[in-house]
Amino acid sequence: EVQLVESGGDLVQPGGSLRLSCAASGFTFSGYSMNWVRQAPGKGLEWVSYISSTTSPIYYADSARGRFTISRDNAKNSMYLEMNSLRAEDTAVYYCARGTGDGYTYYFDSWGQGTLVTVSS
Amino acid sequence: SYELTQPPSVSVSPGQTARITCSGDALPKQYVSWYQQKSGQAPVLVMYKDRERPSGIPERFSGSSSGTTVTLTITGVQAEDEADYYCQSTDSSHSYVVFGGGTKLTVL
Repeated sequence: EVQLVESGGDLVQPGGSLRLSCAASGFTFSGYSMNWVRQAPGKGLEWVSYISSTTSPIYYADSARGRFTISRDNAKNSMYLEMNSLRAEDTAVYYCARGTGDGYTYYFDSWGQGTLVTVSS
Repeated sequence: SYELTQPPSVSVSPGQTARITCSGDALPKQYVSWYQQKSGQAPVLVMYKDRERPSGIPERFSGSSSGTTVTLTITGVQAEDEADYYCQSTDSSHSYVVFGGGTKLTVL
């Protein structure tokens, strides 16, 4: 059974930093691209970042580029999101999601339960 | 970047058919996936490549496409189908992922 477990969410002050982790199990982690998707309270889903199975390429949403850094450690079956210069608008539940597809489509076939990041003074 | 547009809400009675649309200029060239998110839970994939149903998803869920609009249809809606539904696609190089704003399905 595919399992994705996020951790690291916390209350942080504006301008602060936080590192999220996603622990994967139940599948060959090194064979899949991974993503972070967030959801602000009462709002819709927003894609944040993508990392390929081999760590390159990496993509970011405009809202994350320059402040967030995605990474993975295939030996530890884990993915990370380093978040700096946090703003109130970064407050959200952050989901880890496994990506799959082909040249014509890309989608998320497994999701974690999410970890809450709150940016507030 | 581009946008996907969904109606904010759809309401149907149990046993009726619910249709949730997703519109976008790039959709004739890019496939759409759909996610169901029940209150307080993580999203679940219910459709991919416009009309492909993942294993474990009931047959009452189906998908179709026409031009710039993709439709998720739930035939014989049940109370347990009440949830938010999001469409999702990518740009042509898969370097950017976009979600629709979400549709709240209410089962009356």
